[in-house]
Amino acid sequence: EAQVTQNPRYLITVTGKKLTVTCSQNMNHEYMSWYRQDPGLGLRQIYYSMNVEVTDKGDVPEGYKVSRKEKRNFPLILESPSPNQTSLYFCASSPDGPSTDTQYFGPGTRLTVL
Amino acid sequence: QKEVEQNSGPLSVPEGAIASLNCTYSDRVSQSFFWYRQYSGKSPELIMSIYSNGDKEDGRFTAQLNKASQYVSLLIRDSQPSDSATYLCAVSASGGSYIPTFGRGTSLIVHP
Repeated sequence: EAQVTQNPRYLITVTGKKLTVTCSQNMNHEYMSWYRQDPGLGLRQIYYSMNVEVTDKGDVPEGYKVSRKEKRNFPLILESPSPNQTSLYFCASSPDGPSTDTQYFGPGTRLTVL
Repeated sequence: QKEVEQNSGPLSVPEGAIASLNCTYSDRVSQSFFWYRQYSGKSPELIMSIYSNGDKEDGRFTAQLNKASQYVSLLIRDSQPSDSATYLCAVSASGGSYIPTFGRGTSLIVHP
């Protein structure tokens, strides 16, 4: 089954404690991206990757890091989380970018930073 | 600053009626337009895409695009309670732009 998986689905942590949210897709997609969704602000892109070892900033990259060492995985790293990073996070993938009929979203990770 | 505007709603329609969802965008070079459906607590699901002016129909859904007016809409015919969700409008520019801009979404409630 074609899918994007994220782990963990729920996470409560404290300020400053490094964390990683994993994202994996099994569709051999070139393009992967991370979004955060906040009430009243909608979906905003954090980072994206066009291929292995190729990443770039989205609209709200501050406080986040990503890596793309393998095509299928695109982890999101918060080196020193802060309460303003409390949000719902989605990973997405598609064959060649967001301007496509086939962008798939993962199930989401709800992060709370105390 | 690229902006995509949607009325947050909720838009309430009776079962069987036509639901009309609207979206305006600010970036004139936008070339790709999408409608996503998001149920509460779930991830967005792409339901329609449109790239050229006019109408595009897919089952009960019709997307309408007017680039001159910078306006895109989604019509849902014969609305069902299962259509109750938040509908997100998304816009991307062409030419290598990989950062889509999403609207804040319109909540649709279809009541029996």
